[in-house]
Amino acid sequence: AQSVTQPDIHITVSEGASLELRCNYSYGATPYLFWYVQSPGQGLQLLLKYFSGDTLVQGIKGFEAEFKRSQSSFNLRKPSVHWSDAAEYFCAVGASSTDSWGKLQFGAGTQVVVTP
Amino acid sequence: NAGVTQTPKFQVLKTGQSMTLQCAQDMNHNSMYWYRQDPGMGLRLIYYSASEGTTDKGEVPNGYNVSRLNKREFSLRLESAAPSQTSVYFCASRVGVVADTQYFGPGTRLTVL
Repeated sequence: AQSVTQPDIHITVSEGASLELRCNYSYGATPYLFWYVQSPGQGLQLLLKYFSGDTLVQGIKGFEAEFKRSQSSFNLRKPSVHWSDAAEYFCAVGASSTDSWGKLQFGAGTQVVVTP
Repeated sequence: NAGVTQTPKFQVLKTGQSMTLQCAQDMNHNSMYWYRQDPGMGLRLIYYSASEGTTDKGEVPNGYNVSRLNKREFSLRLESAAPSQTSVYFCASRVGVVADTQYFGPGTRLTVL
């Protein structure tokens, strides 16, 4: 079974500063990895995903993530944070087997606060 | 396209009451999912439906039942609500091919007193 750890529960960052959110996963084969963002009172929106190929993945809103198999990590980055990036961010992993039926395991989330 | 819609948005129940959360998608997706979200625990899968006519348990199915009414609709029923079921409930859907994306509804905030 797969699992996901987001070590940082809460991160505070200044507007214009860079942001990195950590995600570590556990899965025996090559996983499918996702980052979702949840604004207050909203549902989850996909930021980016990794299935195969280039390990640096570009997403929406200026985010990118890098898959590092050797470290079992899929960290999310943004070079310059905007106030609108204040939200909760979830990393999720899916199994590559067809009988997994697309089920995802989510991390506990990282709350990002942006200060002026 | 409305995407994934959920009703109601908010609900307050008393312990022991029953209710059904509704979910519908207009994207012709095959697979649908119900999650609950609790502080510090991320999203946990309650039930899923890989395709029309099939349903299966997820990580936390106790106290819930589901119905895949047709390809569009997937409902979640609480037969006898308990305070431990106070949570935010999300429905999601995906096309159904390997590794595709799940699309989420706006959520239902349920409080059980």
